[in-house]
Amino acid sequence: AQKVTQAQTEISVVEKEDVTLDCVYETRDTTYYLFWYKQPPSGELVFLIRRNSFDEQNEISGRYSWNFQKSTSSFNFTITASQVVDSAVYFCALTERSGGGADGLTFGKGTHLIIQP
Amino acid sequence: SQTIHQWPATLVQPVGSPLSLECTVEGTSNPNLYWYRQAAGRGLQLLFYSVGIGQISSEVPQNLSASRPQDRQFILSSKKLLLSDSGFYLCAWSGGQGGQPQHFGDGTRLSIL
Repeated sequence: AQKVTQAQTEISVVEKEDVTLDCVYETRDTTYYLFWYKQPPSGELVFLIRRNSFDEQNEISGRYSWNFQKSTSSFNFTITASQVVDSAVYFCALTERSGGGADGLTFGKGTHLIIQP
Repeated sequence: SQTIHQWPATLVQPVGSPLSLECTVEGTSNPNLYWYRQAAGRGLQLLFYSVGIGQISSEVPQNLSASRPQDRQFILSSKKLLLSDSGFYLCAWSGGQGGQPQHFGDGTRLSIL
């Protein structure tokens, strides 16, 4: 069975600080996909990034960066120079390849990130 | 571009009443469709998914049901709501190939009194 653990329930930092959100996953499949989503106070889920199990290259998008390490089953998310608008709940999610073509996501419980001005 | 619409945004229902939440997708054909529930302070739980018209798979046993009467329409229903059905319900769609990102609607906040 697959599982996603986000051990940090809540993180509070002051604006402009760097912050890393941890994600550890469990899966028996060799082919799988990892995701990060952002849920602002309004409630909608915003897709941030997808990474497949064969691509361990780290990715940077502006102030956001992701560190995927298969050896430790981790897919951590770093925000550099945080801003108040980054305040949200962030979810890490996993799906395994399925022959049926529909891949339900297994979500972690989320990390509530608070950026204080 | 693809868009997903979900309604209503907020709903307050008495225990034992029926439920119907609707979700429609525009700008794509034959999407995979999903219903998730987010209980207060918790993560998201997959309830149902569908790979085509009339094809519904359930992930958890409950008093909810789902239907897909048209290619881009997904409906979540209940004949009799329970207090435990309260939560935030999210509809999502993805492309047909495995591992595609899921894109979510704005959600429905359901309160059962």
